[in-house]
Amino acid sequence: EPEVTQTPSHQVTQMGQEVILRCVPISNHLYFYWYRQILGQKVEFLVSFYNNEISEKSEIFDDQFSVERPDGSNFTLKIRSTKLEDSAMYFCASSASGSRNTQYFGPGTRLTVL
Amino acid sequence: ILNVEQSPQSLHVQEGDSTNFTCSFPSSNFYALHWYRWETAKSPEALFVMTLNGDEKKKGRISATLNTKEGYSYLYIKGSQPEDSATYLCARRSSGSARQLTFGSGTQLTVLP
Repeated sequence: EPEVTQTPSHQVTQMGQEVILRCVPISNHLYFYWYRQILGQKVEFLVSFYNNEISEKSEIFDDQFSVERPDGSNFTLKIRSTKLEDSAMYFCASSASGSRNTQYFGPGTRLTVL
Repeated sequence: ILNVEQSPQSLHVQEGDSTNFTCSFPSSNFYALHWYRWETAKSPEALFVMTLNGDEKKKGRISATLNTKEGYSYLYIKGSQPEDSATYLCARRSSGSARQLTFGSGTQLTVLP
């Protein structure tokens, strides 16, 4: 069964460093998302991406964040200068076209900023 | 601010018991309600997407109902098994073109053998 994959599973970085989190969505899906969960808090929406552009973003998704689909398979989230409060589990998701479709989630990347 | 609430926060049941938990959400501008099952270190697994008032969905021993007028959904597990132990998340999608999901905190279910 097709699944969303994410790499790495765990990333440790120093404050101020750039990180890139990678995702391979399900191959025929057209909508891509990033969510995050800070420890002990709810899963929060960051951004959605369709047709090679951001379709919506939350207040969390400020200028430090960017997303890209560099080729036909990968979908990346870049954090330019990480802060301690960026430590969280980051989930990628994808969904097919059609307004009622399920969003399928990857297993997440745990980002730890020291 | 959209608040999606789930109760209880955690639940322990004996193997074979049936159980249910609640997701409540704002009913205005509602479009869809998603349920996910999430085991630690795994991907959240999609269970159901429900959109219509009165919807009932079933997958094996798990079923869900939806009341959009009063803003709640119930998830039921019949004859719980240890492998049902997981966190169950609900997420609301608003009407309009936005597809973002607003999640509840989840109900952590532990089924004791």
